[in-house]
Amino acid sequence: EVQLVESGGGLVKPGGSLRLSCAASGFTFTSYSMGWVRQAPGKGLEWVAYISTRGSYIHYADSVKGRFTISRDNAKNSVYLQMDSLRGEDTAVYYCARDRGGVAFPCDFWGQGTLATVSS
Amino acid sequence: SYEVTQPPSVSVSPGQTATITCSASASPQQYSYWYQQKAGQAPVLVIYKDTERPAGIPDRFSGSTSGTTATLTIKGVQAEDEADYYCQSADNDGTYVVFGGGTKLTVL
Repeated sequence: EVQLVESGGGLVKPGGSLRLSCAASGFTFTSYSMGWVRQAPGKGLEWVAYISTRGSYIHYADSVKGRFTISRDNAKNSVYLQMDSLRGEDTAVYYCARDRGGVAFPCDFWGQGTLATVSS
Repeated sequence: SYEVTQPPSVSVSPGQTATITCSASASPQQYSYWYQQKAGQAPVLVIYKDTERPAGIPDRFSGSTSGTTATLTIKGVQAEDEADYYCQSADNDGTYVVFGGGTKLTVL
């Protein structure tokens, strides 16, 4: 059974940092690109970042470019999202997702999400 | 930039057919994908590559495309189908990966 378990969310002040983690199991992690999608409270989905199987290709949404860094550790079956210079508009549930394959980064499995709250 | 637009809400009675559209701001584009999100849960992929249905998704869910508009159709809507539905696509070279704003499906 495919499982994606996020952790690392919490409350942080504007300008601060958080590091989200996603532990994957139930599939061959090294065969799949991974990414993050977020959802602000009461709002829609927003694609955030994508990383290829070996980390050689990385892509970010314009809204987080230069502030967020996606990475992966294939030995630990994990993907990470380092979030720096956080703003109030970054408050959201962050979902880790597996890429089904395709330019549009379709997600065939999702974690349950971790909430990051940016507030003073 | 690149955007896809959905109607905010659709309402149907049980047993009827629900149609949700997703209009792209430019052409050409990548495939469209559709997700169902029930309250308090993570999204679930229900249609991929415009028309394909993942294993375990009921065959009352179908997808189609015409020009720059993708459509999700749910035939014989059931109460359990009440949820938010999101389309997803990208521009031709994948620079912009976008979700639509979501459509709330209400089963009357």
